[in-house]
Amino acid sequence: DVKVTQSSRYLVKRTGEKVFLECVQDMDHENMFWYRQDPGLGLRLIYFSYDVKMKEKGDIPEGYSVSREKKERFSLILESASTNQTSMYLCASSFSGLNTEAFFGQGTRLTVV
Amino acid sequence: AQSVTQPDIHITVSEGASLELRCNYSYGATPYLFWYVQSPGQGLQLLLKYFSGDTLVQGIKGFEAEFKRSQSSFNLRKPSVHWSDAAEYFCAVGFHFGNEKLTFGTGTRLTIIP
Repeated sequence: DVKVTQSSRYLVKRTGEKVFLECVQDMDHENMFWYRQDPGLGLRLIYFSYDVKMKEKGDIPEGYSVSREKKERFSLILESASTNQTSMYLCASSFSGLNTEAFFGQGTRLTVV
Repeated sequence: AQSVTQPDIHITVSEGASLELRCNYSYGATPYLFWYVQSPGQGLQLLLKYFSGDTLVQGIKGFEAEFKRSQSSFNLRKPSVHWSDAAEYFCAVGFHFGNEKLTFGTGTRLTIIP
């Protein structure tokens, strides 16, 4: 089975802290994604990566950065956490090319106080 | 830009009743279409997908969806719901070419009453 693992299910951080959310996939997928999920807004794409060291901004990249040093790992970084970044964060991965589907991790619920 | 609309925020149905969840998309070319389900506290699980071919698609857990190009719709159906179907359901659309980003709808929360 495809496995996408997010390092934490729940995190509580203080305003201004630097926060790292880690995601690892075990299926050799080229593509990896970070989404943010908020009630009434669905899932919104923050960043995605289609190869090692490659990244592209999604719809809401402000306040976030990412790192992909190895194919299986994709990190989301909040340089200075703010309360409006309190949310559920979902990582996903997929193969490149046609007829692919995305596989999701369990999510990290981040609370910034 | 592509977009996905799920007009129903919350739907309540009785156990054993039929279900239809609506999804409309806006996209210039033939899209990839997906339905995902999210149980409380969990990630998203793929129910079914449409890429091409037969417009009636069968998925897991007894769900099906029909792609109607003329209506830009991809509605999800189940003939008889079970209490375990209570969850949030997301419709998503993807590009046919290029990077495979998905655009999601805002979701429909399904409540099942005994």
